[in-house]
This record gives sequence, C-alpha cells and structure tokens, in this order.
Amino acid sequence: QVQLQESGPGLVRPSETLSLTCTVSGDSFSSYSWRWIRQPPGKGLEYIGYIYYSGSASYNPSLKSRVTMSINTSKNQFSLKLSSVTAADTAVYYCARGRHTIVGDAFDIWGPGKMVAVSS
Amino acid sequence: DIQMTQSPSSLSASVGDRVTITCQTSQDINKCLNWYQQRPGKAPKLLIYDVSNLETGVPSRFSGSGSGTDFTFTISSLQPEDIATYYCQQCDNLPFTFGPGTKVDVK
Repeated sequence: QVQLQESGPGLVRPSETLSLTCTVSGDSFSSYSWRWIRQPPGKGLEYIGYIYYSGSASYNPSLKSRVTMSINTSKNQFSLKLSSVTAADTAVYYCARGRHTIVGDAFDIWGPGKMVAVSS
Repeated sequence: DIQMTQSPSSLSASVGDRVTITCQTSQDINKCLNWYQQRPGKAPKLLIYDVSNLETGVPSRFSGSGSGTDFTFTISSLQPEDIATYYCQQCDNLPFTFGPGTKVDVK
C-alpha cells in the first residue's frame, strides 16, 4: 500500500525558508510525478508544482521565484523549499502522487498534510 | 492560468437526494478534469478523473460528465459520509488549477 508522509518544521520565521520533505513508501518512485499542493486555513487548494524522478521540475508561476523542488531517489523522498516566506504562506502543505491518465494527470494518493505557520 | 468556477459554493441536502455541482473553466480543457472530495480535517481524495472515470474503490453513486468548458459532478443518492467539500481541477494546462470548492452538508 502506497503511503506519503510530509515532514518538516511547523513554524517558520518571516523572510526565512520553509523546507518540507515527503517520504514515499511502498511504490515505484520512477513511474509517477510528485506534487506539492497547499491550502491556507479555511481556503481552497493551490497547486505549487511537480518534480519527476529525473529531477525535472515545474512550478506555479505565482511562486516560481521562491520555490525549489528536489528529489532523493535513494531515500524515496522529494522536497520543497519556499524562500522569503510571509504570513500569506501559512497553510497546510500536501504532497501527492501524480498518475498519468488517458488525457492528463490525476493526483491519486495524498499525504495527510503538514501545517506550517509563518510567524515571528 | 485557466480560471475555474464552481457552483453552488455550498449546499444542504437530505440523505437520498440527488446532488449536482457544476464546474466551468475559462477555456476548453480537452476533457482533462478531475474531481476531489475533502472531508473536514483530511487530505483531498481523488474521486473522478478525465471527466467521467471513477477512481478504483469509489462508490458508483458518484459520477461526472461534461466537455469543453462545462462539467458536472453528481451524487445520485447523498449519504451521511458524503459531507465534504468537493473540488474540480483542470489538468490540461500548467499550473493545474483547482476550483474554489463546493461545501456539501446533510440536512
């Protein structure tokens, strides 16, 4: 059974860098894309970006200047870094698996989410 | 970015009722549309992909349809466990944007 689990600090100071890791268990890491999505408290879902096994990545243009994703295939982990954070970056951060479908991609397995607050 | 709208933003229905949610996109998305269910305090769950394909293990009371820019999600007979917020998502153009969500309550 495939499982994803986010980990990292739950509190980040303004202007610093948010760092999260998603550990994937029970899956073929190379067969899918790996995604990050966030959800501010009481609000909807915002797509952050994806990374492939090869290391190629694509980010939401609204966050592109501050986002870096990386992948560690030996540990079945992928990571998110978001720099220069402000209170607007306070959210639950989800990692998810992207599965190719006939037409496109669907996020078929999600981690439980990691709440990250930005506060001094 | 492709803009997504959903209606209604919330609804309340009785157990056994038929519930319909609509999703509209700002441009044709070539049938690349998914639906997710998010129960309170939980991560989203994929219910339907590519407009009308039911994800494995998802009850058959959930269904989807549509094309072009207009899509519909239906619960044929609402159950108490269906209390959740439902999101549509387009997967045709990056970034893969989500609709604002429809909150479903049971009367």
